[in-house]
Amino acid sequence: GAGVSQSPSNKVTEKGKDVELRCDPISGHTALYWYRQSLGQGLEFLIYFQGNSAPDKSGLPSDRFSAERTGGSVSTLTIQRTQQEDSAVYLCASSPRIDQPQHFGDGTRLSIL
Amino acid sequence: AQSVTQLDSHVSVSEGTPVLLRCNYSSSYSPSLFWYVQHPNKGLQLLLKYTSAATLVKGINGFEAEFKKSETSFHLTKPSAHMSDAAEYFCVVSDRFNAGNMLTFGGGTRLMVKP
Repeated sequence: GAGVSQSPSNKVTEKGKDVELRCDPISGHTALYWYRQSLGQGLEFLIYFQGNSAPDKSGLPSDRFSAERTGGSVSTLTIQRTQQEDSAVYLCASSPRIDQPQHFGDGTRLSIL
Repeated sequence: AQSVTQLDSHVSVSEGTPVLLRCNYSSSYSPSLFWYVQHPNKGLQLLLKYTSAATLVKGINGFEAEFKKSETSFHLTKPSAHMSDAAEYFCVVSDRFNAGNMLTFGGGTRLMVKP
């Protein structure tokens, strides 16, 4: 399909483990965003990439969170030493330009035991 | 700073009756405003957007929203609800001065449609 693809769709892991979440944006979209959706906090911005520029990390909640985008396309969000409060749905979105609407993937549901 | 307040966390309507989902926003600059819909276990789908053109914006599935600057509101309406409209709806604001137009979301309104 032509939409934003995220994997895995569900991830269950033990507290303290590291996890990697993947996002494959729509081809040709230069802007890529990560958001987190949790019961207590609603939908929150995490990080933003524009092409090959340095990302805007202003939404990352702690230094355990990091993300990279290789070749201006696929992005990986990494959470180290996971905590129970990291349980949430992690959504990725992309857009052709920053002033165009964002298209969302179906998300990764992360559960920390 | 920008923010969004959705005035109702839950709205229940009967099929065939009008829908009104209320949203107020705050933004220091000329904002872009959106409504997104989320069905269970799905991502967010764009319903409509306002970007300083016409104040009455028409979207998909018969939804529309009116931008009222004097009231800082962007309420979502539909003349006749359908069972398939049952979902969670998010009012969203962005402006170009924040992290690449990153989106700020309201708390969401869960729409229930009774047969």
